[in-house]
Amino acid sequence: ELKVEQNPLFLSMQEGKNYTIYCNYSTTSDRLYWYRQDPGKSLESLFVLLSNGAVKQEGRLMASLDTKARLSTLHITAAVHDLSATYFCAVDTGYSGGGADGLTFGKGTHLIIQP
Amino acid sequence: DAGITQSPRHKVTETGTPVTLRCHQTENHRYMYWYRQDPGHGLRLIHYSYGVKDTDKGEVSDGYSVSRSKTEDFLLTLESATSSQTSVYFCAIKKGLAGYNEQFFGPGTRLTVL
Repeated sequence: ELKVEQNPLFLSMQEGKNYTIYCNYSTTSDRLYWYRQDPGKSLESLFVLLSNGAVKQEGRLMASLDTKARLSTLHITAAVHDLSATYFCAVDTGYSGGGADGLTFGKGTHLIIQP
Repeated sequence: DAGITQSPRHKVTETGTPVTLRCHQTENHRYMYWYRQDPGHGLRLIHYSYGVKDTDKGEVSDGYSVSRSKTEDFLLTLESATSSQTSVYFCAIKKGLAGYNEQFFGPGTRLTVL
């Protein structure tokens, strides 16, 4: 059974600081996705990482994938309040040999950025 | 906007009653998914469809059934709702590129079973 673990699950940080969210998964896969969810809203796709060593950046967010370590990171640079949200990583279940086509999600990291 | 709508957006029902949630897409995508989101669990796959009349189970399919009689509609049915099925339900589509499973989500349905 594929397991996806995120840490931390809750993070409160100050504007201007840097931090990293970690996503570990339990089986071989080179398909990893990051999503953002605002309170009461749907999920918004942020990054698609499709190979070992993939790095994607959008504004103050940068995501990377190390398939050998089964680890993805989401790095926040000089955080601003607008980045407050819950961030999910997800691994492609079918592609990893887990059976059902679909995504297996981590539990999410609830990020609060304070002035 | 991936052209996905869900109905109803909110529903309160009683234990033992049947409930059907609808997901509608306007872009003719082959793959559609139903997830549930619960605090502390992230999102979990209930069922998915890979074409008209073609469906399969996900991680938490017990107590749920699905149907897809048209490409644009994917229905999720709770035959006899239980309080443990109180959740937010999200429909998603995949935009069809081989080996590429980026999914786009609908607005969600908040279901409360009393």
